[in-house]
Amino acid sequence: DAGITQSPRHKVTETGTPVTLRCHQTENHRYMYWYRQDPGHGLRLIHYSYGVKDTDKGEVSDGYSVSRSKTEDFLLTLESATSSQTSVYFCAISGAIAGAFSGELFFGEGSRLTVL
Amino acid sequence: DAKTTQPPSMDCAEGRAANLPCNHSTISGNEYVYWYRQIHSQGPQYIIHGLKNNETNEMASLIITEDRKSSTLILPHATLRDTAVYYCIVITGGGNKLTFGTGTQLKVEL
Repeated sequence: DAGITQSPRHKVTETGTPVTLRCHQTENHRYMYWYRQDPGHGLRLIHYSYGVKDTDKGEVSDGYSVSRSKTEDFLLTLESATSSQTSVYFCAISGAIAGAFSGELFFGEGSRLTVL
Repeated sequence: DAKTTQPPSMDCAEGRAANLPCNHSTISGNEYVYWYRQIHSQGPQYIIHGLKNNETNEMASLIITEDRKSSTLILPHATLRDTAVYYCIVITGGGNKLTFGTGTQLKVEL
């Protein structure tokens, strides 16, 4: 299994509080991703990173920010959590083949966030 | 990236082959077809990918039509553990992200 861990795995918080989810990898992979999964919507990309300090928005980035200050960590922050951000969050990593995106993602176990 | 269309659900008897179709009629020449699956509450798992030739690995076979407008993922001997949501994704060579649709819920039954 790919060395990828997410923390925390479960969190309950209140509306308006900041929340940070951490994704940590030991594979030295270039690409890292944050997805959220909700019933009826499948997996939706929030943000992704293609290198240290290189990030880009996905399809549902509003209300989220990310940071990647080193290869192994990719942080997802909800500056002021809302109930609509209650979801299961998955981190994924992917290596490169000859410098290019391989397309093969390895996913973490998910972080379940509940915003009351 | 080209859009894909998959049936929302399929059933398969254990031990039989499961054939999961995917339509990607707007695929262009440099786009790859990827398949992933997600077993309940787990993160998705990569299965296989291809460009235009048929591919096989220890998990499955991927058959891509000659015009590349559709493909079929084949699980040759489905087991109960293959019950999952299967996603067909098309990405451009040189792309750097995957967009998941809603996939096909495969239910393998005794």
